[in-house]
Amino acid sequence: DTAVSQTPKYLVTQMGNDKSIKCEQNLGHDTMYWYKQDSKKFLKIMFSYNNKELIINETVPNRFSPKSPDKAHLNLHINSLELGDSAVYFCASSQDLGHSGHHTDTQYFGPGTRLTVL
Amino acid sequence: DAKTTQPNSMESNEEEPVHLPCNHSTISGTDYIHWYRQLPSQGPEYVIHGLTSNVNNRMASLAIAEDRKSSTLILHRATLRDAAVYYCILKDYGGNEKLTFGTGTRLTIIP
Repeated sequence: DTAVSQTPKYLVTQMGNDKSIKCEQNLGHDTMYWYKQDSKKFLKIMFSYNNKELIINETVPNRFSPKSPDKAHLNLHINSLELGDSAVYFCASSQDLGHSGHHTDTQYFGPGTRLTVL
Repeated sequence: DAKTTQPNSMESNEEEPVHLPCNHSTISGTDYIHWYRQLPSQGPEYVIHGLTSNVNNRMASLAIAEDRKSSTLILHRATLRDAAVYYCILKDYGGNEKLTFGTGTRLTIIP
């Protein structure tokens, strides 16, 4: 059973196109995230959603729009793709939201989606 | 989030213990010390975390200095499967949940 799954695993597309990456978790978690890992392997948070509500938005261009239809899914839609968007995108989930006062919890990551923009 | 400093890379022989150091001299009283690792072509994976006391789990041990300005992740008997980039991350208790990854330590296991 895959805990956090992402589709597609690989995505190759032309500059200017619009594409989506899907993420699903079957762990019953409340919080989901998107991280980006660039070619230099730096991993950086992009967004976080808790119960379908946006919690973290780390100065990501507004061409990136996360969408959470329910708390088990957090999809990432990217408009007008640019060369610099080429990266590996990781989805993650966790049980508790730190700022609620609960003990900070483990994040479970998906296998990643390698996006290549040509 | 307070910063952490780790060596860029380390090597260890298979079946020997590995000690991965992390400095976090600006750690605050509410920061937990978390360790994640990223195996090749995979997403990051939780290893262990602690606040003040040393911690053990099935994957590793975490030794935290008394002043909390440094910590050491200990893999008791490294296997080839442990070759990965290991990240030491500080997370504020009660803060938002984001993980701020540094450059980590790339651990190579020599057969």
